[in-house]
Amino acid sequence: KAGVTQTPRYLIKTRGQQVTLSCSPISGHRSVSWYQQTPGQGLQFLFEYFSETQRNKGNFPGRFSGRQFSNSRSEMNVSTLELGDSALYLCASSLGSGGYQETQYFGPGTRLLVL
Amino acid sequence: AQTVTQSQPEMSVQEAETVTLSCTYDTSESNYYLFWYKQPPSRQMILVIRQEAYKQQNATENRFSVNFQKAAKSFSLKISDSQLGDTAMYFCAFGSRDDMRFGAGTRLTVKP
Repeated sequence: KAGVTQTPRYLIKTRGQQVTLSCSPISGHRSVSWYQQTPGQGLQFLFEYFSETQRNKGNFPGRFSGRQFSNSRSEMNVSTLELGDSALYLCASSLGSGGYQETQYFGPGTRLLVL
Repeated sequence: AQTVTQSQPEMSVQEAETVTLSCTYDTSESNYYLFWYKQPPSRQMILVIRQEAYKQQNATENRFSVNFQKAAKSFSLKISDSQLGDTAMYFCAFGSRDDMRFGAGTRLTVKP
């Protein structure tokens, strides 16, 4: 099976712009979670989608949003970018029925740099 | 809310030796799993080992094993016969039905 893929791998944006990141889960996986990874804050949970519905949400401002399509692919959008949004954004997929008791499979991440 | 604490930001070990990474957690839930994930430099995060909280037997995966002390809420990872490819960030994680928490990570360097 193909692993979790994320596009694009690298992105440079300027403050105030918006960005959309994409994640394709492993075939058969219905849950996709998004994380922000920074040297200072570590891995922080953004949100999780399961069967096209947001099932869990972390403590991030409303500028961060996401969605999931019927084929389980997910997109994450960040509007009005700030310098502090520079980070590695990871998505992870799992089968989904067991929640976070299941093993998550991570993608390679999208590295976002905001100038 | 659940918390996961890794008290060792960095560690190093000589090739072929054994190293133990520490992790403690706090939760009031009874049904959960614990994980160790590995993130090699510039590579994808992958699962190293996982432990079901209701199982008393410690999980093992080849050179990797855990010491799970449920009462003490401790979940350490032992790496035996360390290899250069074990150099990575290691994250301890807690997973329940609706919550996933990661520790801050331990950067492990295996020296030749």
